[in-house]
Amino acid sequence: AQSVTQPDIHITVSEGASLELRCNYSYGATPYLFWYVQSPGQGLQLLLKYFSGDTLVQGIKGFEAEFKRSQSSFNLRKPSVHWSDAAEYFCAAYSSASKIIFGSGTRLSIRP
Amino acid sequence: NAGVTQTPKFQVLKTGQSMTLQCAQDMNHNSMYWYRQDPGMGLRLIYYSASEGTTDKGEVPNGYNVSRLNKREFSLRLESAAPSQTSVYFCASSGTGKVSNQPQHFGDGTRLSIL
Repeated sequence: AQSVTQPDIHITVSEGASLELRCNYSYGATPYLFWYVQSPGQGLQLLLKYFSGDTLVQGIKGFEAEFKRSQSSFNLRKPSVHWSDAAEYFCAAYSSASKIIFGSGTRLSIRP
Repeated sequence: NAGVTQTPKFQVLKTGQSMTLQCAQDMNHNSMYWYRQDPGMGLRLIYYSASEGTTDKGEVPNGYNVSRLNKREFSLRLESAAPSQTSVYFCASSGTGKVSNQPQHFGDGTRLSIL
């Protein structure tokens, strides 16, 4: 069955430090992949998406993600985090018949 | 520029009561979705509607019904609420064109507590 795994439940980084959030997918064909961010009390907002082509994709708010087929990964990165990046982050993959599968999320805390 | 609007934002029900959660989108999207979000479980799809006039079950449909009233509106009904349905409910929509290329746009959620 298709699945999306985010192995880190909670990560804390210092403001200004770099960030990498992990995402692994289980999929037969080339997947369509997404990263979403959810601030407290809000819905999910799309950060970036990968469909094909360049495996390094740029998103909003200074985020980027790299698709690595050999590792079945789509990790999210940011060179320098800001306190406003504290939120929950969800990796997702297009499944079929209009459906998207979400990972269980990684909560990001920022240390001042 | 409303996007996806959900009502109500908060609701408390007693076990056995019924309720309809409303969702409307103004982006002319074909597909609409209802999810529930529970701690540590991400978002789980309850029902979805790929286009006006169609609805299909998602991962956790039991205890829920949906109605795609028109292209804009997609409602979720709890006929007899149970404490296990305490959750945050999100509605989402995605656009026209090739479905797999379309990201989903989310409402701000409905926080539902069943006592």
